[in-house]
Amino acid sequence: GNSVTQMEGPVTLSEEAFLTINCTYTATGYPSLFWYVQYPGEGLQLLLKATKADDKGSNKGFEATYRKETTSFHLEKGSVQVSDSAVYFCALSDSFSKLTFGTGTRLQVTL
Amino acid sequence: EPEVTQTPSHQVTQMGQEVILRCVPISNHLYFYWYRQILGQKVEFLVSFYNNEISEKSEIFDDQFSVERPDGSNFTLKIRSTKLEDSAMYFCASSERVGFNNEQFFGPGTRLTVL
Repeated sequence: GNSVTQMEGPVTLSEEAFLTINCTYTATGYPSLFWYVQYPGEGLQLLLKATKADDKGSNKGFEATYRKETTSFHLEKGSVQVSDSAVYFCALSDSFSKLTFGTGTRLQVTL
Repeated sequence: EPEVTQTPSHQVTQMGQEVILRCVPISNHLYFYWYRQILGQKVEFLVSFYNNEISEKSEIFDDQFSVERPDGSNFTLKIRSTKLEDSAMYFCASSERVGFNNEQFFGPGTRLTVL
């Protein structure tokens, strides 16, 4: 079956540091890939997505590239801010309706 | 900006009791979903719902679970006889369309604690 594996958290960084959160997946066919973010007390929000191999999703300074050869969709940001502190979820969809999520990675950014 | 809302934010219940978790999806959305996350584990798909019927469900969604859209705005998840292992955060989501590219909008979740 489908699965998504994310790096364990929490990840603690100083402001302006470089961020990478690793995500790899297992799926049949050609899934779409997503990163969702959950700020404290809020629901999951779509951060970015990519629907085919070599696509790069980007939003709010975050980027992730769909790598079919390594089955990966790592999230990166060049310079994190305190306001980026949240839980980040990698997810895939290979059907009309179902999202398959990873466990989430908590990011804590300090001054 | 329109958003998905869920009530209550936290529900505590005794094992064997029935609970109903409520969600108000975004008003022009037609597809509705429930997910859950047991503490420290993955967010898991439970069920999707369209046109007043279930379109897909996971193996978790057994006979103890049911969903309903009782009126034009609410979408509910009922657990008939709760078990300790039902303790989790339950997320409702809705989307305007389906397909590989669909964006699901999530509510803030209901934390269910079964004692």
